[in-house]
Amino acid sequence: QVQLQESGPGLVKPSETLSLTCAVSGYSISSGYYWGWFRQPPGKGLEWIAYFYHGGATYYNPSLRSRVTMSEDTSKNQFSLKLTSVTAADTAVYYCARRRSSGSSGSDAFNVWGQGTMVTVSS
Amino acid sequence: DVQMTQSPSTLSASVGDRVTITCRASQNINTWLAWYQQKPGKAPDLLIYKASLLESGAPSRFSGSGSGTEFTLTISSLQPDDFASYYCQQYNTHPLTFGGGTKVEIK
Repeated sequence: QVQLQESGPGLVKPSETLSLTCAVSGYSISSGYYWGWFRQPPGKGLEWIAYFYHGGATYYNPSLRSRVTMSEDTSKNQFSLKLTSVTAADTAVYYCARRRSSGSSGSDAFNVWGQGTMVTVSS
Repeated sequence: DVQMTQSPSTLSASVGDRVTITCRASQNINTWLAWYQQKPGKAPDLLIYKASLLESGAPSRFSGSGSGTEFTLTISSLQPDDFASYYCQQYNTHPLTFGGGTKVEIK
């Protein structure tokens, strides 16, 4: 059974870079599926950040594109998110997730989620 | 971007009630729509995908319908475990976008 676990610093200073990692167990990220990041500010709704397919495309939310980078480490079976120049507006619970269907084409929902990690941006 | 508008934002209901939540898209998204349930402090849980298909493991009292720009999530008989927030999400075009959520509260 695939499981995802986010990790990273709970507190980041304004203007610094937020770095998060999603460790995947039970499935190799290089074997298929899109893997992505979402976030949810306290008391607010969900926002998609980015997702990628190993050996294929990476898609970013244009509203964050200039500040976001996704990467993968297949040797550790994990993928990462970097968000630069953070402000208080980036304070949120960050989730990593896996898309429902294993192929690289078409569209689908996300049906496997990590538990989320809270990141606060404050000096 | 495709704007997703959910209504109502809050819904008060009793156990056993039939509950309907509406989601409207600002443009045609065909049936590329998902519904998620989220409980406080937990990750979203996929209920419905492709507008009307029940995700494996989701209770059969949940159903989805619609296409184009108008969609509904129906809970046929509300159970205590269903008091939560519900979000629609379109995945027809990038960026993926969510509705603002509907909180189902105990009446």
